Amino acid sequence: SQTIHQWPATLVQPVGSPLSLECTVEGTSNPNLYWYRQAAGRGLQLLFYSVGIGQISSEVPQNLSASRPQDRQFILSSKKLLLSDSGFYLCASSVTGGTGELFFGEGSRLTVL
Amino acid sequence: AQSVTQLDSHVSVSEGTPVLLRCNYSSSYSPSLFWYVQHPNKGLQLLLKYTSAATLVKGINGFEAEFKKSETSFHLTKPSAHMSDAAEYFCVVSGSGGYQKVTFGTGTKLQVIP
Repeated sequence: SQTIHQWPATLVQPVGSPLSLECTVEGTSNPNLYWYRQAAGRGLQLLFYSVGIGQISSEVPQNLSASRPQDRQFILSSKKLLLSDSGFYLCASSVTGGTGELFFGEGSRLTVL
Repeated sequence: AQSVTQLDSHVSVSEGTPVLLRCNYSSSYSPSLFWYVQHPNKGLQLLLKYTSAATLVKGINGFEAEFKKSETSFHLTKPSAHMSDAAEYFCVVSGSGGYQKVTFGTGTKLQVIP
């Protein structure tokens, strides 16, 4: 099975500051990669997914961006954070051509003040 | 197109009593179905999955779910709730192919009363 490493686990950032969340995957090659966000009391919102290096699809227009510089590395970024960016961010992966089973990281709690 | 509906946002049971979390799905093809559990401030963990094999699927921690195509349902059950089962549960439907579109339900929070 796959192991997802995600960091940092928690961070508190001021409005207007940059953001970088990183995720790496072990145990598979050429995975599909995903960034989800959970706002307080809400379900999971898919932000970005990637089917390969440099290939990023955005599901929701926002001030966030994602990059995949290596096969098993996925980065979520922002140049200027907004209050509404606060939430719990989850990185996930799945096997290309598989059943859609997702493997999740432990999440990153972002608070924007 | 695909969608998933979790019929209860909150379920409360007493410890030792049965658990039933309801999920209905819609899909234009043969889907894969999953249940995930999330404890507070943690990632999601797979409980069980249906991928067109046996319709009664057994998962971890005593949970099971039955795929009923005629009812388009995939309800999650457990005979006897434990305090450690208190968490949020997500029903998920997935398509097939190189990139599998994954659709999450809105979640059901399970409370277990001692």
